[in-house]
Amino acid sequence: SAVISQKPSRDICQRGTSLTIQCQVDSQVTMMFWYRQQPGQSLTLIATANQGSEATYESGFVIDKFPISRPNLTFSTLTVSNMSPEDSSIYLCSVRDTRNQPQHFGDGTRLSIL
Amino acid sequence: KQEVTQIPAALSVPEGENLVLNCSFTDSAIYNLQWFRQDPGKGLTSLLLIQSSQREQTSGRLNASLDKSSGRSTLYIAASQPGDSATYLCAVPTQGGSEKLVFGKGTKLTVNP
Repeated sequence: SAVISQKPSRDICQRGTSLTIQCQVDSQVTMMFWYRQQPGQSLTLIATANQGSEATYESGFVIDKFPISRPNLTFSTLTVSNMSPEDSSIYLCSVRDTRNQPQHFGDGTRLSIL
Repeated sequence: KQEVTQIPAALSVPEGENLVLNCSFTDSAIYNLQWFRQDPGKGLTSLLLIQSSQREQTSGRLNASLDKSSGRSTLYIAASQPGDSATYLCAVPTQGGSEKLVFGKGTKLTVNP
């Protein structure tokens, strides 16, 4: 299975700032996704990162708040913009080649906003 | 809208016990179901993927079953060990042929030595 590296693994940020999270995969993958896991909750899909085009966002998530890039088939970034304490969560990158194969996750980025 | 429910929310057992975790989903038009494990503060580890044409999938001490028509899956863990302590999540496609997943809230398992 693909090896997924996320950076940073954790960060503490000030209110109003932005942070970019990187997701690097050791092989080319068709699909990349970004999830959020708020404290004590399950995972919620933020968006699908599309290679060479704009990401597809889920209801409740917008590009201005969570801009996503995917310049190639092995790399994506998620930016959390103008952060507030409500953005304190674990952010997870995941990948999948086809729908008949398992989806795999990185170790996540634990983000705390003061 | 697909919804996933996992029961129980938490489970505590003595080491060596066999146990069953339950997952139910509202839209049975799924093509597969995936079970994950999440350790505290970590990402998810894929345990088992069951295709809609399969009834069971096994990996070591883990056995997952799928009854698509009734919208249910179970994860059976044999001879539990303290290292099995984690949160177990099941996930199914959001709808139809979508590649996107919707997750249950998980079952937090504690195996006591």
